[in-house]
Amino acid sequence: QKEVEQNSGPLSVPEGAIASLNCTYSDRGSQSFFWYRQYSGKSPELIMFIYSNGDKEDGRFTAQLNKASQYVSLLIRDSQPSDSATYLCAVTPEPYKYIFGTGTRLKVLA
Amino acid sequence: KAGVTQTPRYLIKTRGQQVTLSCSPISGHRSVSWYQQTPGQGLQFLFEYFSETQRNKGNFPGRFSGRQFSNSRSEMNVSTLELGDSALYLCASSSGLAGGGNEQFFGPGTRLTVL
Repeated sequence: QKEVEQNSGPLSVPEGAIASLNCTYSDRGSQSFFWYRQYSGKSPELIMFIYSNGDKEDGRFTAQLNKASQYVSLLIRDSQPSDSATYLCAVTPEPYKYIFGTGTRLKVLA
Repeated sequence: KAGVTQTPRYLIKTRGQQVTLSCSPISGHRSVSWYQQTPGQGLQFLFEYFSETQRNKGNFPGRFSGRQFSNSRSEMNVSTLELGDSALYLCASSSGLAGGGNEQFFGPGTRLTVL
């Protein structure tokens, strides 16, 4: 079992819809959770981080964490074509070690 | 604030050679992590340095090594290059504060091609 799992996609959503991206992790002791966006040919850029159970909102983005289910998700409201990218989930199963999923490719259709 | 810088941006080497990549973190950041990104394996953690000390590492062979200098700049070295080492090498900087789960910011990467 991989440490961090994401559906590779592509996930296609129409412009203006809500995109829901999911990530599961295997190490129950993981403390910190991150979402990155990576455009083709570019390096990852941080979108959000979450440490506590529940929801965290930042603009059009909401991160949701459920430690009991070992599940973290990212919701993108009012999706735009410019949101089309690969979204990477990252987890810290131990201090100073970041494990990334292989990413979900999102396509927002105009 | 200037972002994370990496040099060189592109490298072409042949099998058996060695290579050194450099990373300068965001001013004030003391932690540097290194990653290898390939289409098949995704982003894989190599190691993390803070105040010139390696605090954690991933599952890579000993051919991959790193170091950090007192100004927080870091270098990564790969010896005896293999074809499979062709990848994008990314470094990421963070404050590195206690707790171990700080937000990381990535540099543009070094694209290494091994022929």
